[in-house]
Amino acid sequence: GQNIDQPTEMTATEGAIVQINCTYQTSGFNGLFWYQQHAGEAPTFLSYNVLDGLEEKGRFSSFLSRSKGYSYLLLKELQMKDSASYLCAVSISGGYNKLIFGAGTRLAVHP
Amino acid sequence: GAVVSQHPSWVICKSGTSVKIECRSLDFQATTMFWYRQFPKQSLMLMATSNEGSKATYEQGVEKDKFLINHASLTLSTLTVTSAHPEDSSFYICSVAGNYEQYFGPGTRLTVT
Repeated sequence: GQNIDQPTEMTATEGAIVQINCTYQTSGFNGLFWYQQHAGEAPTFLSYNVLDGLEEKGRFSSFLSRSKGYSYLLLKELQMKDSASYLCAVSISGGYNKLIFGAGTRLAVHP
Repeated sequence: GAVVSQHPSWVICKSGTSVKIECRSLDFQATTMFWYRQFPKQSLMLMATSNEGSKATYEQGVEKDKFLINHASLTLSTLTVTSAHPEDSSFYICSVAGNYEQYFGPGTRLTVT
């Protein structure tokens, strides 16, 4: 079966740093994605990791350890607009870039 | 990335009727599209994988006769919810498969009364 775990909710303060963890056990692995989703809207792409290590993109960084089945999304200099759900998704093998999503982490950023 | 549109953005229909949702890839040849359903405060659940010119592949537990998918061209896939019931009320999102990522449409909010 496919299993992707991430915390349900997190809170943080504006200007701070927050790390959202994701662990996975899937049949095959073709890369790991992080998406941001505001309520009532479609997910927007944040990052993609296929090799171990850290990928940095502005205020957002994502880390992957394939041997541990573990990833995290790091958000720096938090802004109020970062309040959203963050979805961890694994692309599994077998063609068509099929994605399996975790349940999502709802992040609330407070002043 | 690809620009993906969905129509309608929201729809209200009566129980027992059918509703069609369109997903268009505006600037990218969409050989493969995906249809997801998302209930409030839950994540995206893949319903089916749609390939241009062939039958869709449905995920386990998704009724293919209830959720009809047509992908007749490289720019358009449609999802028809037949004989809709209140429990089908949900947020339906399509996506287009890119080289390694997916490009999501803005979603369609379906409410069945």
